[in-house]
Amino acid sequence: QAVVTQEPSLTVSPGGTVTLTCGSNTGTVTSGHYPYWFQLKPGQAPTALISDTSNKHSWTPDRFSGSLLGGKAALTLSGAQPEDEADYYCLLSYSGARVFGGGTKLTVL
Amino acid sequence: EVQLVQSGAEVKRPGATVKVSCKISGYTFTDFYIHWVQQAPGKGLEWMGRVDPEDGETKYTAKFQGRLTITADTSTDTAYMELSSLRSEDTAVYYCATGGLDVWGKGTTVTVAT
Repeated sequence: QAVVTQEPSLTVSPGGTVTLTCGSNTGTVTSGHYPYWFQLKPGQAPTALISDTSNKHSWTPDRFSGSLLGGKAALTLSGAQPEDEADYYCLLSYSGARVFGGGTKLTVL
Repeated sequence: EVQLVQSGAEVKRPGATVKVSCKISGYTFTDFYIHWVQQAPGKGLEWMGRVDPEDGETKYTAKFQGRLTITADTSTDTAYMELSSLRSEDTAVYYCATGGLDVWGKGTTVTVAT
């Protein structure tokens, strides 16, 4: 089974910009992996932020954006807010089977 | 409005089987896959598998192969996740989510304990 890798933790200052990445042990992440990004807060169900690399949902704040960067999927947060402190998970598709990354704990400090 | 309503919390003994339901409303049930995701205490999200309600076709991750059965009942617009031979490490919150993984159920807590 494929292994999806994310930074275990990152810190961003309020108002700052941070990029979270999502890599695959099988090689370059492409649009064909249909990268998804989710936000997870304690006691809540995951919230989908980005689908298919860069598509935002109607509820996704404008400060979040998705892309492919350096062979990985990337989630960029521009203008971090205190409420963005959470765990973030990417999800990649491998011929229909899905694999989550280990998650990134984002601290806004 | 799309809604996924999951069944209530379960407590099971090791070796038992649990079946969690996910009732869908707000869209045509057969239009999208239903996925199941596990979140164990202090752990990350784990994709377990999915079902295509159109024809019942399933796909499972290797970790749960042989113990996991995901089904879809088109007469009641309900998806089911059945996990057998339960062990303590199966203690977790189990979520269902629509095909686009954009709408999720609130989760069902399954506790495996003696």
